[in-house]
Amino acid sequence: DTGVSQDPRHKITKRGQNVTFRCDPISEHNRLYWYRQTLGQGPEFLTYFQNEAQLEKSRLLSDRFSAERPKGSFSTLEIQRTEQGDSAMYLCASSLGGLAGEQYFGPGTRLTVL
Amino acid sequence: RKEVEQDPGPFNVPEGATVAFNCTYSNSASQSFFWYRQDCRKEPKLLMSVYSSGNEDGRFTAQLNRASQYISLLIRDSKLSDSATYLCVLKYNNNDMRFGAGTRLTVKP
Repeated sequence: DTGVSQDPRHKITKRGQNVTFRCDPISEHNRLYWYRQTLGQGPEFLTYFQNEAQLEKSRLLSDRFSAERPKGSFSTLEIQRTEQGDSAMYLCASSLGGLAGEQYFGPGTRLTVL
Repeated sequence: RKEVEQDPGPFNVPEGATVAFNCTYSNSASQSFFWYRQDCRKEPKLLMSVYSSGNEDGRFTAQLNRASQYISLLIRDSKLSDSATYLCVLKYNNNDMRFGAGTRLTVKP
């Protein structure tokens, strides 16, 4: 399968715990995006990488959230001291460069914070 | 005002019907426009790009009116398999994308 993959697919954690999600983009894609989606809403942009450089971060991304893409390939999104409001689907997408570059989404990681 | 606004629906239509979705956006700096489709509990997938001159892909027609900051999607001859949520998407020069909340469509036999 050469699509975007995410791991884990589901994560249940207790409030206050740290969680880390992984995204493996399509191999030739240099851009990688993280989104958060809650029920009844569209995906909400969190952050974006071009190769290993994090170029954009949403104001919605609190200090408890950090993302890395150390070698310009896979990326991790870490949430520290999780809160119940962090419960959501976390989607990763990748694309080639260019204004019209289609973003291909992974299946998402569903986080539930108890 | 939200950056991207869509009628949430749901739209319930019979098979074979024609249905149209609208989307308005507030930031004229938007450079590219797309419609994505999202099935229940699945990831969004690109349905079609939207070009200024309007474009068609089979039963789907997309239109853009930059002056009115308005995008539309028309689906003709609806199929059961068209049931999904349709997301209006804007893209800025910095590759930042903004998604609408989506319009839910159910096509019934």
